[in-house]
Amino acid sequence: AQKITQTQPGMFVQEKEAVTLDCTYDTSDPSYGLFWYKQPSSGEMIFLIYQGSYDQQNATEGRYSLNFQKARKSANLVISASQLGDSAMYFCAVHGSGNTGKLIFGQGTTLQVKP
Amino acid sequence: DAGVTQSPTHLIKTRGQQVTLRCSPISGHKSVSWYQQVLGQGPQFIFQYYEKEERGRGNFPDRFSARQFPNYSSELNVNALLLGDSALYLCASSLRTSGRVNEQFFGPGTRLTVL
Repeated sequence: AQKITQTQPGMFVQEKEAVTLDCTYDTSDPSYGLFWYKQPSSGEMIFLIYQGSYDQQNATEGRYSLNFQKARKSANLVISASQLGDSAMYFCAVHGSGNTGKLIFGQGTTLQVKP
Repeated sequence: DAGVTQSPTHLIKTRGQQVTLRCSPISGHKSVSWYQQVLGQGPQFIFQYYEKEERGRGNFPDRFSARQFPNYSSELNVNALLLGDSALYLCASSLRTSGRVNEQFFGPGTRLTVL
């Protein structure tokens, strides 16, 4: 069975500073993908970044980067230069090698950016 | 290009009633997945359909059913509604079901309230 653990229910960060959101995963699949999504109060899930288990380098997408440590089974999201619009719920998810397309999500972390 | 669309945006039903939620995927996407998100939790996988066939089913009772049409749009049906079915129902579309192309684009969701 696959599992995602996000241990930080809530985080605060000062505007323009960097913040790291933690994610650990558990999967027995040899090949898997890790995703981060942002969910504003409107409810829509917004894709941020993807890391494949065999990718050699850590993924980056603009101000988002993923600190992927395979041996530790962690996939932390780093947001640089935080903006007020980054205040939202953030979810980590894992997809296995099976053909179902199923994503397993963590409980989420609420991020609040202070001006 | 239009994103994933869902209808209706909000819905109020009473216990025992039946509900149908609709989803239109991004043009060219053949896979549609449904998730249930109870307040304060991460989304839970309900179904995935690819090329009109069910490819995956989550741990939900038989009261939940879905189908995908030739134009790849999808409907989620829930019979005999319970109070616990109150949630945000998210639809996601993707090109295929595995790997990087499994990146799922989510719609705005349908918020269902069962009284």
